[in-house]
Parts: sequence; structure tokens; C-alpha cells
Amino acid sequence: DGGITQSPKYLFRKEGQNVTLSCEQNLNHDAMYWYRQDPGQGLRLIYYSQIVNDFQKGDIAEGYSVSREKKESFPLTVTSAQKNPTAFYLCASSMGGGKNIQYFGAGTRLSVL
Amino acid sequence: GESVGLHLPTLSVQEGDNSIINCAYSNSASDYFIWYKQESGKGPQFIIDIRSNMDKRQGQRVTVLLNKTVKHLSLQIAATQPGDSAVYFCAEKSDSWGKLQFGAGTQVVVTP
Repeated sequence: DGGITQSPKYLFRKEGQNVTLSCEQNLNHDAMYWYRQDPGQGLRLIYYSQIVNDFQKGDIAEGYSVSREKKESFPLTVTSAQKNPTAFYLCASSMGGGKNIQYFGAGTRLSVL
Repeated sequence: GESVGLHLPTLSVQEGDNSIINCAYSNSASDYFIWYKQESGKGPQFIIDIRSNMDKRQGQRVTVLLNKTVKHLSLQIAATQPGDSAVYFCAEKSDSWGKLQFGAGTQVVVTP
């Protein structure tokens, strides 16, 4: 898990509720990412941020929102518009650029009540 | 569109044998690749990477081979151990900045 901390480890969402997943890194990385992983599948990019106060949509951004107010933090909000939120959510960070090794947190498992 | 994919979803290997995990990519312009290992319930862990100007790179018990002619990447694990049981993903740098595109993964099961 390195210097990337995700919390909580498990999260439950009620119908119509927004929930926020936390991601903090102490690696001094400029770039941060959020991925969604469904059972038996690969990682799909939700949002990414190359630098503080800037972020871009990934492949499956609908129903999610992010902010990047601090270099070390990149919280993800799963909104009520996301109708199928049950998944394993992974946060990563990297230096960015040509040799872009991304380092991952331990993940948050989100389930719907 | 361009994609990264794996040939085998599940690989069963006897302890002590060598493992070979394959990955096909379709973007001939990709210049950087990474292999990750993901144990159950955990985040992916970096194993090894390779630039497109190389054919082979070795790490501790692992070797990555890149064949640009057929757009194929493989990860070899020597003397596979029970702790190697995991899902292995290849990832391809999908743009000039460095965004990664991940394959679907291969489940490696090590049997005694």
C-alpha cells in the first residue's frame, strides 16, 4: 500500500445517499487517480488529476465527483446518480510523465444497503 | 478502439514450476508497459515495467518480455511459490502524459 491511505475499508450506501471515499498520499506525487473494479474484471478509470486544482473525467465518470484542493488528497464522492455503485474502489498516485508507475492504496469496498 | 487484453483468464501452476502470463496489446504506439500483482482484497502492487526500446527486463524471480512485432507482452515468474497466487494485470501507457490502460487480468493459482 505504500504511502497511500484509503478510508474507510468498507462502506455501505443507502438509496439516494451520497458517500465520500477518502484518499491521502504522502509520496509527494503530482498525479492521483480513482479506479473502479468489479468482480473478476480489470480496473476502469473514473477520474484523474494531474495537478492540484485540476482533474479530468476518465472512462466512467458519470455518477461520480472529485476534488483536488490539496496535493496529498483526492476524495471521491459516489452520488445518488450512480445507480450501480457496488464495487471495489482503488485510489492511486504517480509522478506522472513518461515512466508513470502508479502506486495503489488498499481499496474501499462499497456496497448498497 | 485500442485495448490491452490477456490470453488466459486462469493459470494453474505447480509450486516450483515457472509461470508465464501473456498479454496482447493493440496500440503499436505504446512505449511503456507495467505488470501489477493483486492479491485478494488488496490494491495492485507494482512488479516490473519495461519501455518499448527494450525486449527484456529482469527483476527478482520475474522477467518481462516485449515482442513489438506481434504486440505481445509476457511475465515470467521463476520457481513459482504459493505467495505468487494472485491476479496479474498488464497495463499500457495510453497517452503521452502517462495514463494507463489495464487489461482484464489473469488469475494465477499455485498448487502444491
